[in-house]
Amino acid sequence: NAGVMQNPRHLVRRRGQEARLRCSPMKGHSHVYWYRQLPEEGLKFMVYLQKENIIDESGMPKERFSAEFPKEGPSILRIQQVVRGDSAAYFCASSPIAWGNTGELFFGEGSRLTVL
Amino acid sequence: SQQGEEDPQALSIQEGENATMNCSYKTSINNLQWYRQNSGRGLVHLILIRSNEREKHSGRLRVTLDTSKKSSSLLITASRAADTASYFCATDESNDYKLSFGAGTTVTVRA
Repeated sequence: NAGVMQNPRHLVRRRGQEARLRCSPMKGHSHVYWYRQLPEEGLKFMVYLQKENIIDESGMPKERFSAEFPKEGPSILRIQQVVRGDSAAYFCASSPIAWGNTGELFFGEGSRLTVL
Repeated sequence: SQQGEEDPQALSIQEGENATMNCSYKTSINNLQWYRQNSGRGLVHLILIRSNEREKHSGRLRVTLDTSKKSSSLLITASRAADTASYFCATDESNDYKLSFGAGTTVTVRA
């Protein structure tokens, strides 16, 4: 039973380029969450999506960042015109049902973005 | 701002010893969770304790929660080298998905 799959695991971009991070939730999970972890810090919530819907993007910067979870295919976190401050580990998590019932999130191994 | 703050930031112990780390938080919560993160890997859920619970066990893990002091502790008994990792507490304030994570305690277990 595959877990949450994220790719790429490592991504290097130059300032101004675009970064696309992908996340396939666990089988049977329809809720996806993106978190960002800056060096030496804990994870910070970015966005919560269900299929074809953004439920809550309150933790995501208003500019340059966008997320989607299409009907078919993985969830994608897109960062346009990356800056050095975007360097971080981006974690995707999924849950089978709406939050509040089990409380547990299943995390992927993360995508580590380095902006040169 | 961070909700959970772990203490200590780092801990080094001998294999077989117990490891204790604490988490303090600021606002009322619905539940508190502990996660483990091995270097360069994702987070693995360890245990969840609800606000109406005071203590919970899972294998070699023991978690306590004191809502009056807004604090929790994680005890790992009889530690092993494989327990070397960072441990994070995460609080759920509004029974939703926006977990608030602390900066973690890095535990090193020496063989």
